[in-house]
Amino acid sequence: GAVVSQHPSRVICKSGTSVKIECRSLDFQATTMFWYRQFPKQSLMLMATSNEGSKATYEQGVEKDKFLINHASLTLSTLTVTSAHPEDSSFYICSARAGTVNEKLFFGSGTQLSVL
Amino acid sequence: AQKVTQAQTEISVVEKEDVTLDCVYETRDTTYYLFWYKQPPSGELVFLIRRNSFDEQNEISGRYSWNFQKSTSSFNFTITASQVVDSAVYFCALASGSARQLTFGSGTQLTVLP
Repeated sequence: GAVVSQHPSRVICKSGTSVKIECRSLDFQATTMFWYRQFPKQSLMLMATSNEGSKATYEQGVEKDKFLINHASLTLSTLTVTSAHPEDSSFYICSARAGTVNEKLFFGSGTQLSVL
Repeated sequence: AQKVTQAQTEISVVEKEDVTLDCVYETRDTTYYLFWYKQPPSGELVFLIRRNSFDEQNEISGRYSWNFQKSTSSFNFTITASQVVDSAVYFCALASGSARQLTFGSGTQLTVLP
């Protein structure tokens, strides 16, 4: 089946640094990728929708300058947490959609970000 | 607007018991998709099932079964003869609307005790 690779799986960084998370679709072209954030024992909250070659659409309350999303190719989207702070510590999950409907939506394995 | 409600925050059962996880959804769209995902302690999301709004047939897959009822906007998930390995957080999700974004419920933490 389709696979979405997300790296790194875990990252620890100092406050003020930037962290990049990659999401790759390995055997299909993903015209749309989604980025979710999950706090401990809570649900997944959609942060942004990323379409290849265009600017990402951010959900209300998500700072676009804080969470930079790049979707430069049909197989790669990146989320960069800029000037990370401890409150950015969270579990981030990407998903990639093959086609136009969520019948074919595949998730990465997630990235646990810890900001010291 | 769309919404998914999983009223059960935590459920504990003893191994071999049957357990049903409830999911109620809201959407104005006539075409939509419903999903169940399993999230074990390791964190990754494991796809379990997808159901489109035009297919109300119930589905059984091994020990798993799903009951989709449009009349009550519910998509419940039953695990028969539960096992310790079933312990995880289970999310119900809905995709509808032009952007086809996935909206997740708050999740149900299932603990199966030996």
